Amino acid sequence: AQKITQTQPGMFVQEKEAVTLDCTYDTSDQSYGLFWYKQPSSGEMIFLIYQGSYDEQNATEGRYSLNFQKARKSANLVISASQLGDSAMYFCAMREVRGNQFYFGTGTSLTVIP
Amino acid sequence: NAGVTQTPKFQVLKTGQSMTLQCAQDMNHNSMYWYRQDPGMGLRLIYYSASEGTTDKGEVPNGYNVSRLNKREFSLRLESAAPSQTSVYFCASSETWAEQFFGPGTRLTVL
Repeated sequence: AQKITQTQPGMFVQEKEAVTLDCTYDTSDQSYGLFWYKQPSSGEMIFLIYQGSYDEQNATEGRYSLNFQKARKSANLVISASQLGDSAMYFCAMREVRGNQFYFGTGTSLTVIP
Repeated sequence: NAGVTQTPKFQVLKTGQSMTLQCAQDMNHNSMYWYRQDPGMGLRLIYYSASEGTTDKGEVPNGYNVSRLNKREFSLRLESAAPSQTSVYFCASSETWAEQFFGPGTRLTVL
């Protein structure tokens, strides 16, 4: 079974609008971490935001927030006030406490339209 | 503070040739990782090293070997390259319960 599922291969958003990128995860652990990374066309992987499974508040970092719904096992990334520079691939990832492995989804390609 | 560095940036091999991808980090992280990224597949873990002196297989280890030379360095070796190993390879490092930091990637083509 897939540990991380990203069901949106491609998304479009108008500049200055908000967009939500979906991510669901699968784990039987009680303790785990959820991460989002951005990969622009230049290829580097950029860490955006982290949510711990025991964190009660949704994580926020500037224009990024993570909508964490533990019962639904979802960890959606919300980007507010989209900018042209947000056009990139976005990857959701999870790390379980039992191991050192990170599990990545297949990514969502976001295009911001002027 | 360079973060995670990888060499080379680009490489072209012929089928059957061998090569080693080098990775080094200067953040004193315990864990290091090697991934490959193929179109539509996201990142798939090849091998990882939780600490100096230990290595473990990831999701797609066949055709690869690794060496954790010391705390800083983690190399990936292709003994006999195959066209199926054409990919972009990323090295990453992390501290316990923190995000991974990635290197810039190596684009490998096997003809």
